[in-house]
Parts: sequence; C-alpha cells; structure tokens
Amino acid sequence: SYVLTQPPSVSVAPGKTAGITCGGNNIGSKSVHWYQQKPGQAPVLVVYDDSDRPSGIPERFSGSNSGNTATLTISRVEAGDEADYYCQVWDESSDHVVFGGGTKLTVL
Amino acid sequence: QVQLVQSGAEVKKPGASMKVSCKASGYTFTDYYIHWVRQAPGQGLEWMGWINPNSGGTDYPQKFQGRVTMTRDTSISTAYLELTRLRSDDTAVYYCVRSGLRFGELLQFDLWGQGTLVAVSS
Repeated sequence: SYVLTQPPSVSVAPGKTAGITCGGNNIGSKSVHWYQQKPGQAPVLVVYDDSDRPSGIPERFSGSNSGNTATLTISRVEAGDEADYYCQVWDESSDHVVFGGGTKLTVL
Repeated sequence: QVQLVQSGAEVKKPGASMKVSCKASGYTFTDYYIHWVRQAPGQGLEWMGWINPNSGGTDYPQKFQGRVTMTRDTSISTAYLELTRLRSDDTAVYYCVRSGLRFGELLQFDLWGQGTLVAVSS
C-alpha cells in the first residue's frame, strides 16, 4: 500500500517561513491535499491539488509537489498557525485514500 | 448552510457495535461521496472507507473489511457508519467527510462533520 511520510514536528519563529514535507514514491504524479487541525477541532482543508487554496484560506499558505516530495509552505507564520498538518492523496492503484502521519507545527 | 452534522458521543462495551449518523444539508447529498475518517486519542487521521450516496456502492480498506458497514438513506440525506466487534483500540473520534469525484479520481475532503467520540471500555 502507498505510504506518505511526514516529519513529526517542525518549529518556526513568528514571521518566518515554515515548510512541511510529505514524502511518497513518485508523489509528484498524484494530487496532494493538506489539512490543518487545531486541538479539539475537525481538520480544515488548506491546500488542494498540490497548490490551490480554498476560499477563505490566506495566501500565506501555499503548496508544491514534485518527484518524491510535496511541501506545504506557510509564509509569515503567526501564532494562530500552530496546529497539526496532514497531507493526503488518493492512491489510484488501490482506489484508497492515504494520509500522512501528521506534523505538529510549533510557533516559537 | 452547507454542513455535515453527526450524532452524539457514545460509550460502548468491548464486543458491542456502534452506529454513527451523518446528516448532510445545504447541498445535493447524492452529488458527493461520503467518507469516514477516525482519529484515536493523540494519533493521526485514519481513513475507513467511502460510500457513494447515489449508488450505495462502498469501498473499505482491508483493515476494516468484515467489521465495517457504510450505508445511506437518501430520503433524509444521511449516511451511517456501523462498526462491529468493538475493541478498546476503536476508541476514537469518528468524522464523516465529503469529497467529489473527477474522472474517477476521488477529490479533496472539503467538508467535515464535527466528529463523534466513541469510547470503548468495559
């Protein structure tokens, strides 16, 4: 089955840029979606189809995907961005959904 | 208002079954797939499968086959998740989630229910 690998944690100072990676075999050929989850809340879609943003998501959130790594980039990080972030793809070979293990973003 | 509203928290004994409901409103229920995703305490997101509300067709990962059943009632725009032979490690928040379909590809999860906590304990 397809596996997505994320770093368990990423730390960043306010105002700086955070990058959260999601590794998978030839992930560049798939559409990657990213979710933000704050404690006690349901996840929220922040980036879909590698780099598109749903309405209401700040432009500070962006994504890229190439080769074996997809990346969620958060620019000008704010304290309110502190959350868990999950990448997700649809694996066409199994017709199943796959999530990464999640990355906890800490704003220093 | 476009939303998915789930049923309330449950406490179950090991070996029992659970059934969680998910009522859709604000959009055409049969136009989007419904998935179920669970999250054990302090853990990540785990996909449990999908149901096509239009056809009733389902797909479950092997881990849950034989224990999970997803159904729907289109007359009331509601999807259901049933999980049998519960164990303590089934304790989790269960989310229903909506996704579209594009040329056979499942799309992003753009709408989530509020989650339902199911605790399994003797």
